[in-house]
Amino acid sequence: QSALTQPASVSGSPGQSITISCTGTSRDVGSYNLVSWYQQHPGKAPKLLIYEGSERPSGVSNRISGSKSGNTASLTISGLQAEDEADYYCCSYAGSRTFYVFGTGTKVTVL
Amino acid sequence: QVQPVQSGAEVKKPGASVKVSCKASEYTLSGYQIHWVRQAPGQGLEWMGRIHPHSGGTNYAQKFQGRVTVTRDTSISTAYMELSRLTSDDTAVYYCTIGNDADAFDIWGQGTMVTVSS
Repeated sequence: QSALTQPASVSGSPGQSITISCTGTSRDVGSYNLVSWYQQHPGKAPKLLIYEGSERPSGVSNRISGSKSGNTASLTISGLQAEDEADYYCCSYAGSRTFYVFGTGTKVTVL
Repeated sequence: QVQPVQSGAEVKKPGASVKVSCKASEYTLSGYQIHWVRQAPGQGLEWMGRIHPHSGGTNYAQKFQGRVTVTRDTSISTAYMELSRLTSDDTAVYYCTIGNDADAFDIWGQGTMVTVSS
């Protein structure tokens, strides 16, 4: 099972919006509404941002949103802030043989 | 949910085994799946396996089948991940994380660095 495909890097200026894509297959992203997104700052553990494709845990900023279309999930960060500079990973449930597959990761840079 | 607390860094020789612990609350261990995810230096996240709260049953990524064992000791609210036949490719930070009902990883431990070097 290959990793989900994410762009290696995305950048934006403060206040702008950016979108990170996460492309899988019909065996993972396309089959389950179980895509989650994580933010990871250098040297820190990942933090859950989105689950079930578009749901935010309590405490996560409403500048963060998620969506899915077909085999591709997306994470949008609006009103970009310096603190958003981090690595972002998607993850999808992939059935009872593979279980979970992560994305390749995207480095977000705030210009 | 309280953050799980993991054991400290380890240095192992090739061919050895390592066992990493993850202390959670009694409530967490009995009610939630505990997953193990690793991250090699400069690389992405990789799911390794999980243990179910009620049955204690386990599931593993195919890549690690036969080499990884996830267990728990409910009397001390601690989960474990043991990885055998270590190679330099196993050098990574190993995280335990609590799964939620939506198959997402809710709360993460602080990570345990495992270095495999001769």
